Amino acid sequence: NAGVTQTPKFRILKIGQSMTLQCTQDMNHNYMYWYRQDPGMGLKLIYYSVGAGITDKGEVPNGYNVSRSTTEDFPLRLELAAPSQTSVYFCASSYSRAGIGNQPQHFGDGTRLSIL
Amino acid sequence: KQEVTQIPAALSVPEGENLVLNCSFTDSAIYNLQWFRQDPGKGLTSLLLIQSSQREQTSGRLNASLDKSSGRSTLYIAASQPGDSATYLCALFTGGGNKLTFGTGTQLKVEL
Repeated sequence: NAGVTQTPKFRILKIGQSMTLQCTQDMNHNYMYWYRQDPGMGLKLIYYSVGAGITDKGEVPNGYNVSRSTTEDFPLRLELAAPSQTSVYFCASSYSRAGIGNQPQHFGDGTRLSIL
Repeated sequence: KQEVTQIPAALSVPEGENLVLNCSFTDSAIYNLQWFRQDPGKGLTSLLLIQSSQREQTSGRLNASLDKSSGRSTLYIAASQPGDSATYLCALFTGGGNKLTFGTGTQLKVEL
């Protein structure tokens, strides 16, 4: 059971470049999330999705875009990379809304992104 | 706006010691609180989830408590082991959106 898989694990971008961070889950979860974690900081929600075709902004959505064409996949797109987007990005999924009931969020191992 | 604080930021203890990690929050109108473990270079692993109507949850050597009135949660680790070394984060779901608010974490090191 793979859980939540993120690719790539590491990436270095130049300012202004674009890239897509991939996230896929095999648990048939409706809810998926993208977070970023900066050094010494907690995780901040970028975007989330409650099901295929439905996405919504989180706390820090500027500079990012998402799509959810299938239940399994939730890619995060950076269009014009900026140094402020240097961070570790985590994708997560859950069966129900964030922690409702006894259903925790499942996290991928992260993508470490540096923008120079 | 919910703010979550974890003190201390780092903690080093000898193996076998019982320890308590603290999490404080400003908005008591929470749905639930979760404790996560994060190993270096890895994602987060959920350890315990406490519903707002509950006072504590236990899993093995871990016990998490919740006191909404005082805005506090504690994670108690009994008989600590070097394998417990990791960063521990608490996160709260306050509704009004599908959003967990995370603390900044406590980095724990258990030494032989």
